[in-house]
Amino acid sequence: DGGITQSPKYLFRKEGQNVTLSCEQNLNHDAMYWYRQDPGQGLRLIYYSQIVNDFQKGDIAEGYSVSREKKESFPLTVTSAQKNPTAFYLCASNPDRGSTEAFFGQGTRLTVV
Amino acid sequence: RKEVEQDPGPFNVPEGATVAFNCTYSNSASQSFFWYRQDCRKEPKLLMSVYSSGNEDGRFTAQLNRASQYISLLIRDSKLSDSATYLCVVNIGSGGYNKLIFGAGTRLAVHP
Repeated sequence: DGGITQSPKYLFRKEGQNVTLSCEQNLNHDAMYWYRQDPGQGLRLIYYSQIVNDFQKGDIAEGYSVSREKKESFPLTVTSAQKNPTAFYLCASNPDRGSTEAFFGQGTRLTVV
Repeated sequence: RKEVEQDPGPFNVPEGATVAFNCTYSNSASQSFFWYRQDCRKEPKLLMSVYSSGNEDGRFTAQLNRASQYISLLIRDSKLSDSATYLCVVNIGSGGYNKLIFGAGTRLAVHP
């Protein structure tokens, strides 16, 4: 079945540690996105990528980094520079070109302890 | 000003009611528009795309007003299962590329 997979579902991190969230898709989509959602709030764009080896900062990129070495994969690293990392992280993809819907992974809930 | 703005609600309505949500966007070059539904602690899922001529899917009607830069979602005969957060999404990409911007969402609570 085609889809987008995020792992892990729940992640706990100690303050000062970097942590990487996985996002993999087998939909052959060009564009991939990372969003952050805080309780009772909407989705805010962290980074997005239109093609392999290229990505752009979204609205809240500080303290995060990404890579896009393969079309299928768009991992997000939450670095120690991110001061308030506890949130629900959502990865999405959609075909580049055209007005098609975005497909989401089930999300990773990150908690700093 | 936010690129996509929605009334956060909550809208508390009885079963069977008709309820409408509006969403405004700031980028006049926005290409495409969607409504997503998000249940508590779940990922958003597409409810419907919004076309210039307006479109209907069962109890749901979406409309787009490009001149005033807003889109709307109308839900008729509300069901308990309609309780969720409704996210307005605008594609502001250009040059053939997509960039999806989400509103903060409008919360709907349907009660018996």
